Amino acid sequence: KAGVTQTPRYLIKTRGQQVTLSCSPISGHRSVSWYQQTPGQGLQFLFEYFSETQRNKGNFPGRFSGRQFSNSRSEMNVSTLELGDSALYLCASSLVEGAATEAFFGQGTRLTVV
Amino acid sequence: AQSVAQPEDQVNVAEGNPLTVKCTYSVSGNPYLFWYVQYPNRGLQFLLKYITGDNLVKGSYGFEAEFNKSQTSFHLKKPSALVSDSALYFCAVRGLGGGFKTIFGAGTRLFVKA
Repeated sequence: KAGVTQTPRYLIKTRGQQVTLSCSPISGHRSVSWYQQTPGQGLQFLFEYFSETQRNKGNFPGRFSGRQFSNSRSEMNVSTLELGDSALYLCASSLVEGAATEAFFGQGTRLTVV
Repeated sequence: AQSVAQPEDQVNVAEGNPLTVKCTYSVSGNPYLFWYVQYPNRGLQFLLKYITGDNLVKGSYGFEAEFNKSQTSFHLKKPSALVSDSALYFCAVRGLGGGFKTIFGAGTRLFVKA
């Protein structure tokens, strides 16, 4: 069974540009969540989707957005990139939405903003 | 509001010795607690979870965790450490009080010396 797939693995962008990251969850998983990981801030929750609906959102500016498609694949978009957006962006999928459900993580997309 | 604290940035232990990685939490209602491990350049891997029932939870790779409600702790343990256990360990909590988002601790880097 294939794991969570994130594309691309590495990305270099210039300040002011926008970027779209993609996540394909494990087959059958309907919940997808996104996290930003940086050395200084650790793992910060971005948002969580279930059945194409955003169920929860972290404390990030409106430049960060996401969506989930009918096949459960998800994308996140960051507009007007800032140097501080450089981070490892992790996607995780879960079989169901419940609180007791563990998450399965992709290897992440390493975004560097120059 | 939910929160997780991992009081140690780093834990050093000799191979063959027992290890403990500490975690305390704060959550409204019943806690759903998780441990994840991250190896270099990889996403997070699920180790174990506490939902309800027995306070001692067994997980992958010989790890276990002890849930203590009165101390609001969920420490990760292993009777005999291996060099290959060296990694970054994250404690996480999901609770109904904050929706289903997962809040992660800052992480504890474990070094196991041969």
